[in-house]
Order: sequence, then C-alpha cells, then structure tokens
Amino acid sequence: KNEVEQSPQNLTAQEGEFITINCSYSVGISALHWLQQHPGGGIVSLFMLSSGKKKHGRLIATINIQEKHSSLHITASHPRDSAVYICAVGLGRRALTFGSGTRLQVQP
Amino acid sequence: GAGVSQSPSNKVTEKGKDVELRCDPISGHTALYWYRQSLGQGLEFLIYFQGNSAPDKSGLPSDRFSAERTGGSVSTLTIQRTQQEDSAVYLCASSPRLAGGLDEQYFGPGTRLTVT
Repeated sequence: KNEVEQSPQNLTAQEGEFITINCSYSVGISALHWLQQHPGGGIVSLFMLSSGKKKHGRLIATINIQEKHSSLHITASHPRDSAVYICAVGLGRRALTFGSGTRLQVQP
Repeated sequence: GAGVSQSPSNKVTEKGKDVELRCDPISGHTALYWYRQSLGQGLEFLIYFQGNSAPDKSGLPSDRFSAERTGGSVSTLTIQRTQQEDSAVYLCASSPRLAGGLDEQYFGPGTRLTVT
C-alpha cells in the first residue's frame, strides 16, 4: 500500500463546477504539500499546510491530521485549471513522499 | 527574480554512456533536491542537499547515480553507464531554508533524458 493515496486518479469536470481532490496518507507528517503540474510539465507549489485550512484565490486546501486526510478544492473551475494535482507529505527533514497525482480536465 | 534553471532541457544519449545534468537553484536557497519522473509515473525522490550537511542519498536507485553540489549553489546529477530504464524527466527543486518537507519547494523545468 502506498504511503500517499490520491483520489480520483482522473477527473473530468465542466467549467464552473466545484472540484474536490482527496489525499490520504498512512504515516505521521510534519507538513503536506499540494503541487500543480501543468500539461507542459512545469510544477508549481500550491500549498504547504500542517493544520486547518488555506485559501488562495479559487483554491482551498484543508487537512485533518487526526484522520490523515487532506482535500484540495477548486471553486468555479476553469479550463486553465486543467493539470495534474499532486499531494506530497513530509516528516521533519525526510524527503517528500508523493502521491501518484490526479489528472484534472476542465471542459469549456 | 530568476527561478530554478536546469540544463540541458533535453538529452538523448546512447545506452552505456555517462550523462551530467545541471541545476542552478534560486540564489540563496539552502536546500536543493533532485527528483525523477518516468513516463506516466509519479515523482520519485533521488537526493537532497542542505547547506553543509551530508546529503540525503536514500532515493538514489543504484550506484550509477551520484550528485554533488558545489559551493552550496549549483548541483550536478551524474548517471554513469546509462540504461534505458533511466529515461525520464529529471527535476530539480530548491527551498529557502529547510530541507525535507518543511519548506515550500520551487521546481525547475526539468531535463528530459532519453536513453536509446
């Protein structure tokens, strides 16, 4: 069993829909990261969080440490949100462990 | 300011040859990481450096892989006697202060390595 599991693996949505991507992990962590990988391959860090909730524009990330679960929400989705979203966890100075990613396609 | 840069952007090499991949982190960033992403696969940690501490090499897949970081800045990932399974995109990232998962990481564009 992978230490970091994401669901769904693939997601197709219509423009304007509310989107949720889930991440569950099985190890203790210091922080959880959400990354976005564009179709061209570039990776951007979206959030790093260790508790509660963070919001940036239309993106919201939440984490429940007790349940070892995080969600990434996208409100009013747009075709430019189409990308692979990757969850990664870190413990102390150990290297990040990555989920396999969720491929999101937002159709106009 | 300038982001993380990597060179070359693409590299095609013959099986058995050695290759060197270069990463220039964001100036002043303490930690530097190397990752690999094989076609259709997730990110795989290879190695990270933080300051003058010994690097964490726990992700290197074999002794054909090595990396160094000179002067706390530029890093080179070397793959000796390349194999076809080494074909992947090699990504470098840096973070301002802390290594591991404790700080936001800034990624370079990657080097696509193809071993024929």
